[in-house]
Amino acid sequence: ETGVTQTPRHLVMGMTNKKSLKCEQHLGHNAMYWYKQSAKKPLELMFVYNFKEQTENNSVPSRFSPECPNSSHLFLHLHTLQPEDSALYLCASSQDGTGFETQYFGPGTRLLVL
Amino acid sequence: GQNIDQPTEMTATEGAIVQINCTYQTSGFNGLFWYQQHAGEAPTFLSYNVLDGLEEKGRFSSFLSRSKGYSYLLLKELQMKDSASYLCAVFLTMEYGNKLVFGAGTILRVKS
Repeated sequence: ETGVTQTPRHLVMGMTNKKSLKCEQHLGHNAMYWYKQSAKKPLELMFVYNFKEQTENNSVPSRFSPECPNSSHLFLHLHTLQPEDSALYLCASSQDGTGFETQYFGPGTRLLVL
Repeated sequence: GQNIDQPTEMTATEGAIVQINCTYQTSGFNGLFWYQQHAGEAPTFLSYNVLDGLEEKGRFSSFLSRSKGYSYLLLKELQMKDSASYLCAVFLTMEYGNKLVFGAGTILRVKS
């Protein structure tokens, strides 16, 4: 079981649509992450938030816009995406993003951009 | 740059032992994680190694040699449910913060 939930689990959108992915963690953690997982490629870190502050943007295009209103919730706002953005988007959380600590993942949102 | 290598696929027989290797060339290395990911599901934490040596956790063991940039995950008494992707991830401490960098994963198929 996981203390990290993500909605929706599946999403199909056109290139002109705007949609948002939601992540919620119930573990009392203070660090949250967005990763992208494409077929046969490693998980790629996109964004990191520690205590609601963005601490890393891993050269992600501006068509992806994260939002972290509090330590339990993380959003990824999507607009004018490209077909190559189709992937599994995973959210993770960890205790506080400092030091050596385990990250716990949500089930992911499978995104298809048409 | 950071480089993490693991085999793309492996096949093993139910009840057997399998070893999944991971080699890395990175800077700022501060530990290594192994995750299991079933198709369509979240990666789940299996084990981590910070110091050289073997960590055992039931049917799963993980080994690390920092000087060789090498780790392996050992799965004993394989079960069909162990069919999954196994992700090696290195924990890096950089001047601007910490980061987990993943390998592409090894798909393990367990056959009866």
